[in-house]
Amino acid sequence: QVTLRESGPALVKPTQTLTLTCTFSGFSLSTSGMCVSWIRQPPGKALEWLARIDWDDDKYYSTSLKTRLTISKDTSKNQVVLTMTNMDPVDTATYYCARMDGDYRFDPWGQGTLVTVSS
Amino acid sequence: DIQMTQSPSSLSASVGDRVTITCQASQDISNYLNWYQQKPGKAPKLLIYDASNLETGVPSRFSGSGSGTDFTFTISSLQPEDIATYYCQQYDNPVFTFGPGTKVDIK
Repeated sequence: QVTLRESGPALVKPTQTLTLTCTFSGFSLSTSGMCVSWIRQPPGKALEWLARIDWDDDKYYSTSLKTRLTISKDTSKNQVVLTMTNMDPVDTATYYCARMDGDYRFDPWGQGTLVTVSS
Repeated sequence: DIQMTQSPSSLSASVGDRVTITCQASQDISNYLNWYQQKPGKAPKLLIYDASNLETGVPSRFSGSGSGTDFTFTISSLQPEDIATYYCQQYDNPVFTFGPGTKVDIK
């Protein structure tokens, strides 16, 4: 059974750096074709893809956010980490991680973690 | 980046009704189009992949069609448990974009 779980601070202050961890089980990110993405959803709004890391350590970022994002993986710990710098209240959202298994679809997703940006 | 539009933004239908949602891409995306269902307070769930393929375990009342820039998602007979927001998602290597969503509820 494949599961993913996001963890990180529930509250960050403006200008701070956010660090989120996706801990997964049921698959290995060293398997050819395997990828993990981060996606966010502001309250009451649509989904927004943020970043992706592949089994071979290739990394891809949202065009609009790429200067603020860094994605990395620790294969031995089954974790993917996303950092987002210079947080702003508009970054308040539920942040999800999701697996991609050799294709272009997100399945499954973690339960999500709500991050609020406020002073 | 490719932009996605969905219509309608919301709809209300009766149990048993046929429900159709459309998704349009700003340029040709072949069949790189997926559909997700998101219930309140929950993570999205994949229903349809590659425009028309039903994900394993998803009821057959859900279907998808289309290619290029125009896509359709259909619930053949709306059930109370289908109350949710539905999102299309495209893949344009290496970037992904979601549509704005369609909220479906029961009349």
